[in-house]
Amino acid sequence: DGGITQSPKYLFRKEGQNVTLSCEQNLNHDAMYWYRQDPGQGLRLIYYSQIVNDFQKGDIAEGYSVSREKKESFPLTVTSAQKNPTAFYLCASSIRGQTAYEQYFGPGTRLTVT
Amino acid sequence: GQQLNQSPQSMFIQEGEDVSMNCTSSSIFNTWLWYKQDPGEGPVLLIALYKAGELTSNGRLTAQFGITRKDSFLNISASIPSDVGIYFCAGPRPRGNYQLIWGAGTKLIIKP
Repeated sequence: DGGITQSPKYLFRKEGQNVTLSCEQNLNHDAMYWYRQDPGQGLRLIYYSQIVNDFQKGDIAEGYSVSREKKESFPLTVTSAQKNPTAFYLCASSIRGQTAYEQYFGPGTRLTVT
Repeated sequence: GQQLNQSPQSMFIQEGEDVSMNCTSSSIFNTWLWYKQDPGEGPVLLIALYKAGELTSNGRLTAQFGITRKDSFLNISASIPSDVGIYFCAGPRPRGNYQLIWGAGTKLIIKP
């Protein structure tokens, strides 16, 4: 079955630690995205990547970093510089072309930092 | 910056009722997307609209691309308990390289 996987589903960290969230897709999609969701709010874009070895900052990139070494994988690192990291993190992917705006999401990772 | 205004913010409905929600933009769009998010899960794409005036159905869901190209509507007929969740609209960010902008969501709650 094709899809997007995010692991783990729940993640707990102490303040001051970096943490890496995994996102893998086997849909052969070119573009991948990371969003942050806070309660009662819409989705805010952290980083996105249209092709391998290239990525751009979204609206709230400060305190986050990404890499795109493989088409299938787009890990997100939440660094200790992120002031308020507790949130629900969503990874998405899309195909290039006419339906490029149709993004497909993974199940999300809920990060709690104390 | 560019925003999508989604209303209502939440809806309390009885099972079996029809539901309507909408999304408006301050600028013209050429694409509208509607997603549903269940609690603790990622959003799922329900309907994509690409043409002004287009009316597209997916089961009991019907979405319309407004003729002004600045709004879109989602209707759910004969609601059932599994319709509970948050419904988001999204559209292309102007000059945004395939980025989306999102509404804040409409939360659908079924009265017991």
